[in-house]
Amino acid sequence: ETGVTQSPTHLIKTRGQQVTLRCSSQSGHNTVSWYQQALGQGPQFIFQYYREEENGRGNFPPRFSGLQFPNYSSELNVNALELDDSALYLCASSSEGLAGKETQYFGPGTRLLVL
Amino acid sequence: AQRVTQPEKLLSVFKGAPVELKCNYSYSGSPELFWYVQYSRQRLQLLLRHISRESIKGFTADLNKGETSFHLKKPFAQEEDSAMYYCALRIISGGYQKVTFGIGTKLQVIP
Repeated sequence: ETGVTQSPTHLIKTRGQQVTLRCSSQSGHNTVSWYQQALGQGPQFIFQYYREEENGRGNFPPRFSGLQFPNYSSELNVNALELDDSALYLCASSSEGLAGKETQYFGPGTRLLVL
Repeated sequence: AQRVTQPEKLLSVFKGAPVELKCNYSYSGSPELFWYVQYSRQRLQLLLRHISRESIKGFTADLNKGETSFHLKKPFAQEEDSAMYYCALRIISGGYQKVTFGIGTKLQVIP
């Protein structure tokens, strides 16, 4: 298994609440990306951080926000939760290696249920 | 807007038969294409990217800009290839990135 961890593994919230999901990156990786995966769908790109700066964003509203810390761990915050936010949230850490060979490792995901 | 299409939700092949998982994309610029795989009860993992032009676990994929396709191929399927496969497109513009995944194709290799 890789060194990417996510917490919590499962979470139940009610509509309107706020949630924070956490991701610890693989050692040596300076980039983290977050994805939302609804049941039976492919992952949808939320955003990406490189050395604490956002350098990519998908079609998600501003209530989805993130942070990357100096140790390259990361948080995903979702405000004003909606029922459709129920999904598996994945984080992935990556780093460009030698000759542009990118390595990327995914975490196990956090399953969020919004009631 | 960019889009990735994987037309088959399920592909069943017999062991030893050739495999082709289809991926078409829509984007007018120069994309980066990836294939990801998720085996049962395992994490999503990067299988290969078109820039590397490598063969991983016997799988290859060639970017065809004329047909806007990036099909994943393997000449002889193995039972351990049974998994969910996702095609993804990455666009970098002005240092800003956006990634789009397809819906995925479940490959079932029949013994």
